[in-house]
Amino acid sequence: EPEVTQTPSHQVTQMGQEVILRCVPISNHLYFYWYRQILGQKVEFLVSFYNNEISEKSEIFDDQFSVERPDGSNFTLKIRSTKLEDSAMYFCASSEGVGGNGYTFGSGTRLTVV
Amino acid sequence: AQSVTQPDIHITVSEGASLELRCNYSYGATPYLFWYVQSPGQGLQLLLKYFSGDTLVQGIKGFEAEFKRSQSSFNLRKPSVHWSDAAEYFCAVVGGLTGGGNKLTFGTGTQLKVEL
Repeated sequence: EPEVTQTPSHQVTQMGQEVILRCVPISNHLYFYWYRQILGQKVEFLVSFYNNEISEKSEIFDDQFSVERPDGSNFTLKIRSTKLEDSAMYFCASSEGVGGNGYTFGSGTRLTVV
Repeated sequence: AQSVTQPDIHITVSEGASLELRCNYSYGATPYLFWYVQSPGQGLQLLLKYFSGDTLVQGIKGFEAEFKRSQSSFNLRKPSVHWSDAAEYFCAVVGGLTGGGNKLTFGTGTQLKVEL
């Protein structure tokens, strides 16, 4: 079964550093997403991406965050200057089309900012 | 805006007992609904989903859920719980073909504990 692959599985970074979280969505999917889950809390939507541009973003997704699809397979989330409160599990997801058809999540990257 | 409510934060059941986890959603049109399970430190595993058609949907691991439009509910059930079912369960909604975008809105989760 096709999978969404995320690397690394764990990342520890110092406050103020830039981090890039990487994802390889399912190859025939057209919509890509990032979600965040702070420890013990619910999963929150960050951003969706379609046709090489952001289609929707939440209030969490401020100027410190950016997304990119640098080639035909990778989808990245960059946090420019990490803060302690950015510590969370970050999930990448992809879907075939509108309405959540084929929505598939990766196994996540646990980001710890120290 | 779409929203999801999971009224039970924690539920404890005995192994072999039946289980029902509640989920209520708020959305103007026909939603697409999902249940995910998350074991500690792990990712999200899809249990089942409802898009249209039969309102009783079967999922993996013996779970099922019933979509009730009149009650705006999508409760998850299992007739006999196993100790390995202990995990956190999230209900989620996406806007469907009529709009609301593609983002999943999650409930706050229900932590299931299974007593042996």
